[in-house]
This record gives sequence, C-alpha cells and structure tokens, in this order.
Amino acid sequence: DAGITQSPRHKVTETGTPVTLRCHQTENHRYMYWYRQDPGHGLRLIHYSYGVKDTDKGEVSDGYSVSRSKTEDFLLTLESATSSQTSVYFCAISLDRAGTDTQYFGPGTRLTVL
Amino acid sequence: AQSVAQPEDQVNVAEGNPLTVKCTYSVSGNPYLFWYVQYPNRGLQFLLKYITGDNLVKGSYGFEAEFNKSQTSFHLKKPSALVSDSALYFCAVRARQTGANNLFFGTGTRLTVIP
Repeated sequence: DAGITQSPRHKVTETGTPVTLRCHQTENHRYMYWYRQDPGHGLRLIHYSYGVKDTDKGEVSDGYSVSRSKTEDFLLTLESATSSQTSVYFCAISLDRAGTDTQYFGPGTRLTVL
Repeated sequence: AQSVAQPEDQVNVAEGNPLTVKCTYSVSGNPYLFWYVQYPNRGLQFLLKYITGDNLVKGSYGFEAEFNKSQTSFHLKKPSALVSDSALYFCAVRARQTGANNLFFGTGTRLTVIP
C-alpha cells in the first residue's frame, strides 16, 4: 500500500463523540488527501494538504477538519460524529500537484457511527 | 464540472474470455484519466493512466485502456480474464486546468470472473 498506514483500521463510535483518524506515510510526499468511500458514490475528496500546515477543502468537507504538523502525518478529525459519517476513509499521497501525478492509497479505515 | 460514469455496476465474464469495464467522463478541456482496482478490505491500487500521446495505454497485470476523445470514453480491457481479476474497478478523471489535484471517481464496477 505504497508506504501508507492508517490507524485505526476499524472503529465503532457513538453519535456526538469526537474521532481522529491518522494517516502516516514513509514516502516524504508533499501531497496528502482524505477521501471517503460510500456505496453508489465512489470516492469523494474530504480535505487535502499540500504541505505542512497547508490544507484545503474538498468536495465533502462539512463536519471534518484536518491537521498536518509533520510531512509524514495527516490527521482527519470528526468533531462530533454523526451516523452519516459512517463510511470507509482512505488516505492518499502524491508527489506533486501536477494532474499527471498518480495518487497512491492507504488500506482504509472503516468507521461506524452508532 | 467534472464527472465520471461507470454504467455497469456488475460485469461477469468467463475465465479466459476478454473483459471490458466501461467508463465515460465529462470535463472541460482535456482530461487526465486513471483506473484503479480495489480488492476486498484493501485500498485502491493504481492500474494505469492516460496523460497524452498514444490512445492505447498499457498498465499493470495485463490491463490496458483506450482513450476515445470523440466518445469521451476510457474503457478498461484485458484480452484474457483471470479469476484473480475479480475485484472492484474505479475510473477517475481530473481536468488539466483545475487547481486542486483531487480526482473525481466513478461509482465503481464489480468484476466477477467465473471459473
């Protein structure tokens, strides 16, 4: 999985609780992304980062925040989890922002919000 | 706006037969196109991409895809399917002039290769 680890791999939580998912890379890539995967929607971008402390919103960013204090780590936080955030979350990395650059994906985190 | 359509949720093919997984796209201007495969409980694995040049792109595991600009399609193909090709396949697109590097994905096609 391209030197990317995600933790935890599975999590069950209750509505209203905060949740933080971690993505760690060993490739020293500049760009990191968080996607969510839902049936009938494919993958949709939540947030992405183009460097330490540099982040921006994606297509479905409401209810999520991110932080990147080190090149290798990109954290996704659900401040107050809702059942609609039950999903599989994937982190991805790419070397450059060029459209030609390939994104490589981590193994995913399955989150269930009860 | 960018979008990708994978018109078939499920494709079944007999082992040894050729397979095709369809993808059409909509972008302003010229696209970058990607195919990924997802095996159960795994992340997405990159198969191939079209950037420019030859319309026929060859990728991993014997897969290839043909870019057709007039039909706005990028179908994934393989001459002889293997049981191990059974997986979920995603097509993705990015327009060249967009600012962010995010990909727009189709909803996926589940390929089942029957022994």
